[in-house]
Amino acid sequence: QQQVKQSPQSLIVQKGGISIINCAYENTAFDYFPWYQQFPGKGPALLIAIRPDVSEKKEGRFTISFNKSAKQFSLHIMDSQPGDSATYFCAASMEYNFNKFYFGSGTKLNVKP
Amino acid sequence: DGGITQSPKYLFRKEGQNVTLSCEQNLNHDAMYWYRQDPGQGLRLIYYSQIVNDFQKGDIAEGYSVSREKKESFPLTVTSAQKNPTAFYLCASTNSRSGNTIYFGEGSWLTVV
Repeated sequence: QQQVKQSPQSLIVQKGGISIINCAYENTAFDYFPWYQQFPGKGPALLIAIRPDVSEKKEGRFTISFNKSAKQFSLHIMDSQPGDSATYFCAASMEYNFNKFYFGSGTKLNVKP
Repeated sequence: DGGITQSPKYLFRKEGQNVTLSCEQNLNHDAMYWYRQDPGQGLRLIYYSQIVNDFQKGDIAEGYSVSREKKESFPLTVTSAQKNPTAFYLCASTNSRSGNTIYFGEGSWLTVV
């Protein structure tokens, strides 16, 4: 059973546009929701993360929107740039069991110049 | 600089051969993980270890083995029992003091020849 479902699988956006990636989860015990960015041949790196006590978190051009009742969260990349082209993973974990992370299947973003 | 070092970056394995991937971290993290990533897919957990001399199977442990004799080191052996080992392998670490952030190494490519 997939704990975190991510969509779309791939995304093409024009430079300057908004990229939106969505994730949904089932387990209401999850209380930490990070997003990771991965460039080809590299390990994923933490981009931004949110806890369920807030509905939105913004860091520069990256924003996480969180809907606790719908059990969904999304990543918005404003003013998308070609350098943002990468694979993005959402994830979820529980604070009392921080050793288990559940990752989405990833979204490959291509920002066209 | 603190981080996770994986070696080798590229490894070729002959049929029936065991190979070992190295993972060393100097972040003083308690928990370490091994993930497998197939092209265009998400991360699947192979093994994880919360403390020295203790480790647990993840979702796809068959055909793999690990050891945790030192806090800094968590090597992964891909045995001949693993029928489809060609993949990108990622080592990661975390602890409660890192605020649930999981840090990844640069990955190792394993190809069966």
